[in-house]
Amino acid sequence: EADIYQTPRYLVIGTGKKITLECSQTMGHDKMYWYQQDPGMELHLIHYSYGVNSTEKGDLSSESTVSRIRTEHFPLTLESARPSHTSQYLCASSGQGWGYLPTSGANVLTFGAGSRLTVL
Amino acid sequence: EDKVVQSPLSLVVHEGDTVTLNCSYEVTNFRSLLWYKQEKKAPTFLFMLTSSGIEKKSGRLSSILDKKELFSILNITATQTGDSAVYLCAVGDYNQGGKLIFGQGTELSVKP
Repeated sequence: EADIYQTPRYLVIGTGKKITLECSQTMGHDKMYWYQQDPGMELHLIHYSYGVNSTEKGDLSSESTVSRIRTEHFPLTLESARPSHTSQYLCASSGQGWGYLPTSGANVLTFGAGSRLTVL
Repeated sequence: EDKVVQSPLSLVVHEGDTVTLNCSYEVTNFRSLLWYKQEKKAPTFLFMLTSSGIEKKSGRLSSILDKKELFSILNITATQTGDSAVYLCAVGDYNQGGKLIFGQGTELSVKP
C-alpha cells in the first residue's frame, strides 16, 4: 500500500540535543516537502525537494537541514534543538500519478501523520 | 506577497446544519486550489480545483472556484459530528513548482 510515513510521531527532548525526523514515501513521488505547523496556525513550508540531490529552503526560515539521497527518503535534522523549535512537523510528497493533472501540472500533496516535537 | 485567507476562523453548528467555508487568495500565477480536512493528525485531501465554475462534489461536501473574484467555497450539507475538524485551503502557484500556500484554516465544530 502506497503511503507516507513519519517517525517519531512524538518526541520530547532536552535543549541542545541533535534530532532527526524521518520521512519515507512508497509512491515514487519526485517532490517532497516539510511543513511546520504551530497550534491553531497555518502550515508554513520550511524545506522542499524536487528530486534526488535537490533541496531548497521554503518560505519560513528554519534552522533545520534536510537531505535527499534517495527518492523515497527525506529526513529533517536539527543539530541543536531549542524550545523555539517546539512544533508539529508535517512531511508531504507529490508527483506524477494519482493527483497529478498533466494539463496544468497541478499536484495534490499527500501528507504524513506528522511529528510533534517538544524541546524542554 | 502571495496569501490565502480563510473565513470564518472558527464555526460551531449543530448536526444537520449546512455550512459554507470561504477561501480567498492573492497568488501571482494561480495553478490550483486545494481543500484539505485536518483532524488530529495529517491533512487529508478533499478537492482540487483548477477551473472556474465547475462544482466538485463528494457525498455531502462540494466546492467551487471563482477565478475572476479569486475565491472558493466549501459547502457541507447535513453536517455530522464526524465533520468536526480544521478545514484547510491551499493554493498552488505556477512559479512555485509543486509548493502550496496554506490559509489559517477554519475550525468547524459540529454539536450533537
